[in-house]
Amino acid sequence: QVQLVQSGAEVKKPGASVKVSCEASGYTFADYYLHWVRQAPGQGLEWLGWINPHNGATKYAQNFQGRVTMTRDRSVSTAYMWLSRLTSDDTAIYYCARDEGSTSCFDYWGQGTLVTVSS
Amino acid sequence: SYVLTQPPSVSVAPGQTARITCGGSNIGSKSVHWYQRRPGQAPVLVVYKDSDRPSGIPERFSGSNSGNTASLTISRVEAGDEGDYYCQVWDSSSDRVFGGGTKLTVL
Repeated sequence: QVQLVQSGAEVKKPGASVKVSCEASGYTFADYYLHWVRQAPGQGLEWLGWINPHNGATKYAQNFQGRVTMTRDRSVSTAYMWLSRLTSDDTAIYYCARDEGSTSCFDYWGQGTLVTVSS
Repeated sequence: SYVLTQPPSVSVAPGQTARITCGGSNIGSKSVHWYQRRPGQAPVLVVYKDSDRPSGIPERFSGSNSGNTASLTISRVEAGDEGDYYCQVWDSSSDRVFGGGTKLTVL
């Protein structure tokens, strides 16, 4: 069965960077785009961008341009999301989600990774 | 950028029907997807392509989309349906867009 397993919770200081990983299993990693979505406390879902695991191509949401980097390692079926210059506004649960492909929806989600930014 | 507007909250008694709307400019021309997020859990896709249901989602969940409004309808609402519901589309300028979310409360 399809599974997306994310790395554990992180606590970071303002100005630092964080890396969150998303390990995929149960399907061919290179065949489906992976997206990153976050939810801050009391807020809705916010899209950060996607990566094409086949060739590493990326697209980032305008709000995160210059601060977010998405990479992948096909040898371990894992995608990574880096977010730099953290502020308290970046405190959120970060999810990876699989792009179904033909419909633009997200059919499988990781369990989420809580990133807390605090001095 | 494309904006999706949802009511902040909807309340319904058990056994009744809940309708959650998602407004957007000419949203009827787009494919709308709906996600349920229960507290402490990751989002789950409950309706895709306006009105299709993934396997394992009860028939009580249905969707429609026309004009400037898409809707998610939950029939015979149960306590377990409580949570936040989000609509989502793809837009040529913004890529993926989510609505602000609607909290469903079962009275």
